[in-house]
Amino acid sequence: GENVEQHPSTLSVQEGDSAVIKCTYSDSASNYFPWYKQELGKRPQLIIDIRSNVGEKKDQRIAVTLNKTAKHFSLHITETQPEDSAVYFCAAGGFQKLVFGTGTRLLVSP
Amino acid sequence: NAGVTQTPKFQVLKTGQSMTLQCAQDMNHEYMSWYRQDPGMGLRLIHYSVGAGITDQGEVPNGYNVSRSTTEDFPLRLLSAAPSQTSVYFCASSSASGNIQYFGAGTRLSVL
Repeated sequence: GENVEQHPSTLSVQEGDSAVIKCTYSDSASNYFPWYKQELGKRPQLIIDIRSNVGEKKDQRIAVTLNKTAKHFSLHITETQPEDSAVYFCAAGGFQKLVFGTGTRLLVSP
Repeated sequence: NAGVTQTPKFQVLKTGQSMTLQCAQDMNHEYMSWYRQDPGMGLRLIHYSVGAGITDQGEVPNGYNVSRSTTEDFPLRLLSAAPSQTSVYFCASSSASGNIQYFGAGTRLSVL
């Protein structure tokens, strides 16, 4: 089955810096790669996703890149703000089944 | 449009008790899933369903049962609760065409 590894587990940056979170997956059949943000005590919320036929996708300060050959994908957040502080999860899989990474705790200091 | 609704929000059980966590969605989504979230472990898939009458096991199915008699509802049953099942449980749903999973607010379960 699918296995997703996520790094780093914690990431501290200064406000305005960029943050990068990386994930690798094992199943070449996976075709959907979402990223979720989870604030303390809240539900995970989708922030961006990418499908296997696309190499890069951007939405304002957030971008995701996918390298299918190497089986890895990354989340890039530019111009970080304190409200970006949260736990971020990557996931990989298909239409009905996702496997999640173990999460990255991002702390943005003012 | 309430999205994905989970009940209860909090529950405390004694070892050996049984209970059902409820999940309902009003978006007419075909796919529904149950995850558990433990510190440092991310979200792990327990069971999932691709439609009414069809369910399958995820990564950590032992100790849990599910059924999907309607499109809207996907209850998760703990047959004999164990302390290892102390966790936060999330239900999610998605459409067959969209992939995007919408999560419920979660159920925080403690088993003593």
